[in-house]
Amino acid sequence: GQQLNQSPQSMFIQEGEDVSMNCTSSSIFNTWLWYKQDPGEGPVLLIALYKAGELTSNGRLTAQFGITRKDSFLNISASIPSDVGIYFCAGRKEGDGNKLVFGAGTILRVKS
Amino acid sequence: KAGVTQTPRYLIKTRGQQVTLSCSPISGHRSVSWYQQTPGQGLQFLFEYFSETQRNKGNFPGRFSGRQFSNSRSEMNVSTLELGDSALYLCASSLAPTGSGYTFGSGTRLTVV
Repeated sequence: GQQLNQSPQSMFIQEGEDVSMNCTSSSIFNTWLWYKQDPGEGPVLLIALYKAGELTSNGRLTAQFGITRKDSFLNISASIPSDVGIYFCAGRKEGDGNKLVFGAGTILRVKS
Repeated sequence: KAGVTQTPRYLIKTRGQQVTLSCSPISGHRSVSWYQQTPGQGLQFLFEYFSETQRNKGNFPGRFSGRQFSNSRSEMNVSTLELGDSALYLCASSLAPTGSGYTFGSGTRLTVV
């Protein structure tokens, strides 16, 4: 089962609004990744975080690696219709090689 | 640069049969991982290969197996298929086992009837 608690499960927002989602865990991670998945496709990497406290942006997306190494958040500013999709957080633990643990996903729907 | 290629894209099998899925990583990538995605369990790690060696394995029964060839291409096999094996099977590749650049393919949609 899931080891990452991702919230919210789904969001229905107005175009132009900012969006925030987060992931928490009881375990410590050395990498946090945020992916977006469109229907019928594999997840696409949006942002990768490697150090506690790291804040990284990719266009309208901003993500942070929590100081405790047990959480991360993703913000999307000024949402547009093409932001629709499922967003996943994923974490990599020390000593686990490339194995990723995924959150359950946040479904984002945007009203135009 | 071609992405991660998974074949076939769609597959329908009968319960009890076996199936083999293929993954060609990005050129130069030597690490390949497999994941199962279902509505109920989400994305679950199956196994990871690097230099033809399995480095890590998830909590799946022995019916799920895989291998990696010298050209880094990978296959996964599921024997004695069960209805619950219906899922999207995703392959991801990266340069090395602990690096970034973890790129997913579009997946193989397996339906067991």
